[in-house]
Amino acid sequence: AQTVTQSQPEMSVQEAETVTLSCTYDTSESDYYLFWYKQPPSRQMILVIRQEAYKQQNATENRFSVNFQKAAKSFSLKISDSQLGDAAMYFCAYRRGANNNDMRFGAGTRLTVKP
Amino acid sequence: DGGITQSPKYLFRKEGQNVTLSCEQNLNHDAMYWYRQDPGQGLRLIYYSQIVNDFQKGDIAEGYSVSREKKESFPLTVTSAQKNPTAFYLCASRTPVSGNTIYFGEGSWLTVV
Repeated sequence: AQTVTQSQPEMSVQEAETVTLSCTYDTSESDYYLFWYKQPPSRQMILVIRQEAYKQQNATENRFSVNFQKAAKSFSLKISDSQLGDAAMYFCAYRRGANNNDMRFGAGTRLTVKP
Repeated sequence: DGGITQSPKYLFRKEGQNVTLSCEQNLNHDAMYWYRQDPGQGLRLIYYSQIVNDFQKGDIAEGYSVSREKKESFPLTVTSAQKNPTAFYLCASRTPVSGNTIYFGEGSWLTVV
């Protein structure tokens, strides 16, 4: 079974600084997708970034980037120039294959941004 | 605007009652999902549907039921058989292209009183 582990229940960062959230996953598959979702206090889940396992290049979306280490099964999220609006729960998620319906979520990391 | 609409935002259930959470999407997505989120935990899959008139159980389907009579709609019924229904419920749908990303509604809070 695929599992997703986020080892940091809570993290904090100073505004304008950089923070990295960790995620590891366990799988024997070669075709899969990885995601980071943000859940602000409103509780709506918002997609932050997506990485296809077959792509060697790390995904980047503005201030958000990932460090995808396939051999180590690691998928960390780096937030640069942190803003107050980045404060939220962040969930790492794994899905096997393009059309698979089984998406696995980690337990989440609560990020606090200090002004 | 295109999106996923869940209602109601807050719902209270008495012991022994069945309640239904609504989920509507106008994104023309085929696949739809229901997840449950408990405090301090990630999301767990209740049910999913790939196409109209078809749905499959997820990890925690006991005490829940769904229907998929229309592409746009995927309501979730929390039955009296669900012994611990207090949680946050999220409906989602999946794009057929662009990496097959799952997008979420705003969620519904269910509390047993």
